[in-house]
Amino acid sequence: DAKTTQPTSMDCAEGRAANLPCNHSTISGNEYVYWYRQIHSQGPQYIIHGLKNNETNEMASLIITEDRKSSTLILPHATLRDTAVYYCIVQGFGNEKLTFGTGTRLTIIP
Amino acid sequence: GAVVSQHPSWVICKSGTSVKIECRSLDFQATTMFWYRQFPKQSLMLMATSNEGSKATYEQGVEKDKFLINHASLTLSTLTVTSAHPEDSSFYICSASPALNTEAFFGQGTRLTVV
Repeated sequence: DAKTTQPTSMDCAEGRAANLPCNHSTISGNEYVYWYRQIHSQGPQYIIHGLKNNETNEMASLIITEDRKSSTLILPHATLRDTAVYYCIVQGFGNEKLTFGTGTRLTIIP
Repeated sequence: GAVVSQHPSWVICKSGTSVKIECRSLDFQATTMFWYRQFPKQSLMLMATSNEGSKATYEQGVEKDKFLINHASLTLSTLTVTSAHPEDSSFYICSASPALNTEAFFGQGTRLTVV
């Protein structure tokens, strides 16, 4: 699966939109972009995933560039409970294994 | 969403003893489950793939005789840390997916402390 690059840490003010970038320049055509987050001392939680179209669910929006080499996870109205490490993972179709990078530690500031 | 449950949430054991961690998929069947290990301030590292009815597949550098995996049913995988040592102290997490090409669901993790 393709490697991803994320900023080590980010801060965001409570109530504002948190935009978390991810680079995956070597992504191939059948690989999906998945986002998970891990709140301290808990197991990771699925957020959203996409192939090439932008996606939105009750938690977040995922914007994938047209060339698919990067994506942005958007938490529209960040709350203190969104403080977590966010992992962007590229996963091939039919491959169940997840390879976690270092992720982005997002801190929501009151 | 689907639920994956781990037990225990935390355990303290003496050096040289063995510890068993259970991972259950509560509302779906999983032919494959995954076991991860996470040291403080580090990311999750995949240890092994647990396959129902067959042997587990271990990642490079993970000792299969030390980390015994059993996946005897479609809803239960167990990880046994044998002859535990303080360096085995870590956060162990399992995951499973209801179907291929769907999101993974993770257990709440088990914090193992070996004293």
